[in-house]
Amino acid sequence: TQLLEQSPQFLSIQEGENLTVYCNSSSVFSSLQWYRQEPGEGPVLLVTVVTGGEVKKLKRLTFQFGDARKDSSLHITAAQPGDTGLYLCAGAGGDNAGNMLTFGGGTRLMVKP
Amino acid sequence: GAGVSQTPSNKVTEKGKYVELRCDPISGHTALYWYRQSLGQGPEFLIYFQGTGAADDSGLPNDRFFAVRPEGSVSTLKIQRTERGDSAVYLCASSRFGQGNEQFFGPGTRLTVL
Repeated sequence: TQLLEQSPQFLSIQEGENLTVYCNSSSVFSSLQWYRQEPGEGPVLLVTVVTGGEVKKLKRLTFQFGDARKDSSLHITAAQPGDTGLYLCAGAGGDNAGNMLTFGGGTRLMVKP
Repeated sequence: GAGVSQTPSNKVTEKGKYVELRCDPISGHTALYWYRQSLGQGPEFLIYFQGTGAADDSGLPNDRFFAVRPEGSVSTLKIQRTERGDSAVYLCASSRFGQGNEQFFGPGTRLTVL
């Protein structure tokens, strides 16, 4: 069974601060995705990382895939209240031959103005 | 709309009752997935369809859960003899198989079993 552990589970910070969310597993994934979920809505894809060591940037968000493709991080620079939400990492492929996603438990971020 | 839609958005039922949850995927998407998200947790995989057939149902928790997709488009998740532990948000996602596995999620159905 593949598991993804996210940390921290909860994060409350002031506007303008930086933060990093971690996603770790003992399993190798062929790709790893980061989603953001708002209350009452489904997860929305932010980015997919495929290559070990890959770094992708999306405005103030920086995503990194570990060299061994077992872990990933999401770094937000100068957080804004609009960044508030649930951030989910999800792995695809690897030991799992199907197409389903294995999700982490999520990091609930609150950015206070 | 062009996105994944799910109905109903909320369903309240009593323990022991039967419920059906519906998912309309994005037109042309051959792959359809059902996930269950309990409060404060990430989604957990239930079942995956490729076309009309269930390609992987390993995530269904027990035989009270069943899903169909008879024409390869709309899917229905059926839960018999509901239990309080079935209370969760049931998410549906679809993807265009073979293109990077990007899944597009619907808003979910919040099921509450009293």
